[in-house]
Amino acid sequence: AQSVTQLGSHVSVSEGALVLLRCNYSSSVPPYLFWYVQYPNQGLQLLLKYTTGATLVKGINGFEAEFKKSETSFHLTKPSAHMSDAAEYFCAVSTTNDYKLSFGAGTTVTVRA
Amino acid sequence: GAGVSQSPSNKVTEKGKDVELRCDPISGHTALYWYRQRLGQGLEFLIYFQGNSAPDKSGLPSDRFSAERTGGSVSTLTIQRTQQEDSAVYLCASSLGAGGGGTGELFFGEGSRLTVL
Repeated sequence: AQSVTQLGSHVSVSEGALVLLRCNYSSSVPPYLFWYVQYPNQGLQLLLKYTTGATLVKGINGFEAEFKKSETSFHLTKPSAHMSDAAEYFCAVSTTNDYKLSFGAGTTVTVRA
Repeated sequence: GAGVSQSPSNKVTEKGKDVELRCDPISGHTALYWYRQRLGQGLEFLIYFQGNSAPDKSGLPSDRFSAERTGGSVSTLTIQRTQQEDSAVYLCASSLGAGGGGTGELFFGEGSRLTVL
């Protein structure tokens, strides 16, 4: 079965600084990879996804992620953090063999003024 | 409504009582999922419904947990004889089809927060 590991349960960045959230996956077949964001007291929403094709994917709110098969990684970045980026971020994986999304434990991002 | 609707948003119950959590998926979405989110942890898959197929119950933690989906739309998650370890946020999500193999985009409700005293 597939799984993901998110490195770091909490990340604190200054406003305007780079945001980097790490995600590594494990899958015996080609994965589909996702980042979801959960703002306080809200449901999860899709930030971006990789299924096939271009390995650098861009999402909403200036986020992007790169699929690196050799490193089994799908790290999420944003060049310049904004206060509104404070939220919890979840990496998730699925495959054509297993439709269920398997989620990581999440990374909470705080942004310092 | 336009999104996934869950009720109640908050439920406090006593240990040993039964609870029912409701999910109204987005109209036209054939797939429906239940996940559990314990404090400080990731999302734990519970059960999946797809159209008229038999549900995938592989994530249900014990036989105290059950779920049904009536008419291919509304779903109810039932927890019998609740225990303190059942305290969590229960999230429902829906998608246009089998989520993983296609777009993978699940649309989540805001969750039902269950507290078992």
